Amino acid sequence: DADVTQTPRNRITKTGKRIMLECSQTKGHDRMYWYRQDPGLGLRLIYYSFDVKDINKGEISDGYSVSRQAQAKFSLSLESAIPNQTALYFCATSDFSGGIVDTQYFGPGTRLTVL
Amino acid sequence: AQSVTQLDSQVPVFEEAPVELRCNYSSSVSVYLFWYVQYPNQGLQLLLKYLSGSTLVKGINGFEAEFNKSQTSFHLRKPSVHISDTAEYFCAVTHGRSGGYQKVTFGTGTKLQVIP
Repeated sequence: DADVTQTPRNRITKTGKRIMLECSQTKGHDRMYWYRQDPGLGLRLIYYSFDVKDINKGEISDGYSVSRQAQAKFSLSLESAIPNQTALYFCATSDFSGGIVDTQYFGPGTRLTVL
Repeated sequence: AQSVTQLDSQVPVFEEAPVELRCNYSSSVSVYLFWYVQYPNQGLQLLLKYLSGSTLVKGINGFEAEFNKSQTSFHLRKPSVHISDTAEYFCAVTHGRSGGYQKVTFGTGTKLQVIP
């Protein structure tokens, strides 16, 4: 079974609709992240969370919100979707266990299309 | 500030030929470097990482990368590619500050197309 899962894998919605993307992990990691991927732009960080009570904005948080329901669950919401939020969204986890560097582990992605 | 440049957006190569995917970074402090691979319809998977020590890093699936501090590069190589290596490859860099958030900057990706 995958360590990091995302639901749904694909979603088509209309402008103005509220959308929630969900991420669950069984890796036992404290740190979780949401990224979006656009062609030619690489990955950009939307939000990150170090634990249930610690949530932080990333580079491009406008138009998005998140909820960390438990250590293993981190949801991304688009309150009122717009077409330029059409992208591939990835959840990732990491476990900084006193070493030097976090290594991030990614879910399979959710392809979101806003019409 | 840190940045990553992957100059080649697409690299076609014949099966069993060698390949090099280029990555250059910019940073004013020490960095740690990663290569990730994204197969079609999948998430990013860690190929290899450079933290310290030997500048030649070996990863999964026969890939290796060499950290060159003077040229600020971390190029990915494979001596003989297979059709199954067709994927998009991302280079990434972080400063690795202890404890706090470690910003990871990703390159724009290089699509490797292996031709039969």
